[in-house]
Amino acid sequence: QQQVKQSPQSLIVQKGGISIINCAYENTAFDYFPWYQQFPGKGPALLIAIRPDVSEKKEGRFTISFNKSAKQFSLHIMDSQPGDSATYFCAASRGLTGGGNKLTFGTGTQLKVEL
Amino acid sequence: KAGVTQTPRYLIKTRGQQVTLSCSPISGHRSVSWYQQTPGQGLQFLFEYFSETQRNKGNFPGRFSGRQFSNSRSEMNVSTLELGDSALYLCASSLDRGAEAFFGQGTRLTVV
Repeated sequence: QQQVKQSPQSLIVQKGGISIINCAYENTAFDYFPWYQQFPGKGPALLIAIRPDVSEKKEGRFTISFNKSAKQFSLHIMDSQPGDSATYFCAASRGLTGGGNKLTFGTGTQLKVEL
Repeated sequence: KAGVTQTPRYLIKTRGQQVTLSCSPISGHRSVSWYQQTPGQGLQFLFEYFSETQRNKGNFPGRFSGRQFSNSRSEMNVSTLELGDSALYLCASSLDRGAEAFFGQGTRLTVV
């Protein structure tokens, strides 16, 4: 059972453009939603995370939008740069409600930013 | 502050053998989780340890086991290796329940 669905699978964006990656979840007990960036040969690096009590969080060029009623959240990368080319994973956990730190991951989005 | 350290980085084992992977979490972090990453199945949760106790377990066979020591360092063991166990094994450390998780570089295991 895939509890976190991520789309698109791959994305090509022009330099300076906006990259948008979407995720949808099923388990309403999830209370923590992070995004990770992974480069080839490296472990995932935490980019930004949000909890259900806010609808948006911005850190630099990265913004998470969260829609609790629709059970969806998305990552927006503003002014996308070639260095942003990587695989992005959304994830969810219910750490605050007894689920520990188990992360359920989406299937990943390969982002390529072209010059 | 040092990050999460996983050793070894690369490992080649023969089918049927067993393997032990090690993870040193960020200093002060008490939670260590393990994940398997493959092209076909993506990132899948194996188990989590907190203060030397297994707190969560994923849907993997009993050949996969782990433990955590009093200094929070953790080991993961896979017995009777199968070709399908070839994967990147990732360790993540967190300060406490519901906290941010930081990943190590992973151990690339190849079973031949």
